[in-house]
Amino acid sequence: DGGITQSPKYLFRKEGQNVTLSCEQNLNHDAMYWYRQDPGQGLRLIYYSHIVNDFQKGDIAEGYSVSREKKESFPLTVTSAQKNPTAFYLCASSNGNGLYEQYFGPGTRLTVT
Amino acid sequence: GQQVMQIPQYQHVQEGEDFTTYCNSSTTLSNIQWYKQRPGGHPVFLIQLVKSGEVKKQKRLTFQFGEAKKNSSLHITATQTTDVGTYFCAGPWKGGSEKLVFGKGTKLTVNP
Repeated sequence: DGGITQSPKYLFRKEGQNVTLSCEQNLNHDAMYWYRQDPGQGLRLIYYSHIVNDFQKGDIAEGYSVSREKKESFPLTVTSAQKNPTAFYLCASSNGNGLYEQYFGPGTRLTVT
Repeated sequence: GQQVMQIPQYQHVQEGEDFTTYCNSSTTLSNIQWYKQRPGGHPVFLIQLVKSGEVKKQKRLTFQFGEAKKNSSLHITATQTTDVGTYFCAGPWKGGSEKLVFGKGTKLTVNP
């Protein structure tokens, strides 16, 4: 069953803790993306990667970090430096660049108190 | 910077009424994509338009790409409760198409 998996679906953390969100795909896609979604804000790009061991900052990268050690995996770490980390985080992948459709995972809803 | 604007932000209709959302880009786009996100769910790709003036239909949904390739619309005929969700348009980033620029979406609610 091909697709993108994100785990967990819900995540709760205390303020000041780093937390890593998982994203795995078995679609053999080269490109992977992380978005943050807040009510009324649409999708805001955090980081993206088009090849293993390479990634670029998106529009709101501050307070986040990523790695791309394997083609299938693109984990996102929300650090304690992120001022408002509570949000819905979506991972996506595509066969290439913006000329191709993106496939989204089910998302992780992170709550930091 | 490059912007993709969508209007309206919210739309509430009675079941059976038609619905249209509009997407306007600050730059010419090589293609435009539409996604639907059901409440509590994740965005799902609906369609991609590439040609100037292109019109595509999916059952009750009609998608148009403007002649200047800077605007697009999604029209739903005779809405159903299953149409509820947020509809996003997106176009490739002008700086090299490495990523998509998404509009903020139009949230559709349907009263049965």
